[in-house]
Amino acid sequence: QITLKESGPTLVKPTQTLTLTCSFSGFSLTTRGLGVGWLRQPPGKALEWLAVIFWDDDRYDNPYLESRVTITKDTSKNQVVLTMTNMDPVDTGTYFCAHRDSGGWSAFWGQGIEVTVSS
Amino acid sequence: DIHMIQSPSSVSASVGDTVTITCRAGRSISTWLVWYQQKPGKAPKLLISGASNLQSGVPSRFRGSGSGTHFTLTISSLQPEDFAVYYCQEANNFPYSFGQGTIVEIK
Repeated sequence: QITLKESGPTLVKPTQTLTLTCSFSGFSLTTRGLGVGWLRQPPGKALEWLAVIFWDDDRYDNPYLESRVTITKDTSKNQVVLTMTNMDPVDTGTYFCAHRDSGGWSAFWGQGIEVTVSS
Repeated sequence: DIHMIQSPSSVSASVGDTVTITCRAGRSISTWLVWYQQKPGKAPKLLISGASNLQSGVPSRFRGSGSGTHFTLTISSLQPEDFAVYYCQEANNFPYSFGQGTIVEIK
């Protein structure tokens, strides 16, 4: 079965860089059409895609984040890594990674990791 | 990106009621629309993909419809476990925008 799990720090200081790792199993990111993405959800607010990376190494990051986000994959380790620079308290929230099917939906998600940005 | 507008932002309903949530896209997205249910402290659960395709294991009281710019999620015969937040999401154009969510709460 497909599983994903986020790991990384739960507390970062303003201006620091956040690095989160999504470790997954049950599929390969070399399979045509598949992708893995990162999303976040500020407390009490809606979800937002941050970045996605696909089987062919095509990748997108949210333009509203002004190039603060980078997504990479390590297919040998079944991991996708998100880095987000210049963290600010408004970046506080729950960060999820999710499997993206070739049809565009995400049926499999990690449990999420709560990240707080505070000095 | 494509702006997604959900309405209502919240709805109060009783067990057994029928609830309809609307999602409008800023431009046509064909049927590239998914619906999620989210409960507190949990990851979203995929309910419907392709605007109207019910995911395996999702009760048939959930129904999605629409295409282009206008979509609806209808929950018939509301059950206690259906009280949650529902999101629509455009699924073809990154950043795959979400609607702002609809809270379905107990009256």
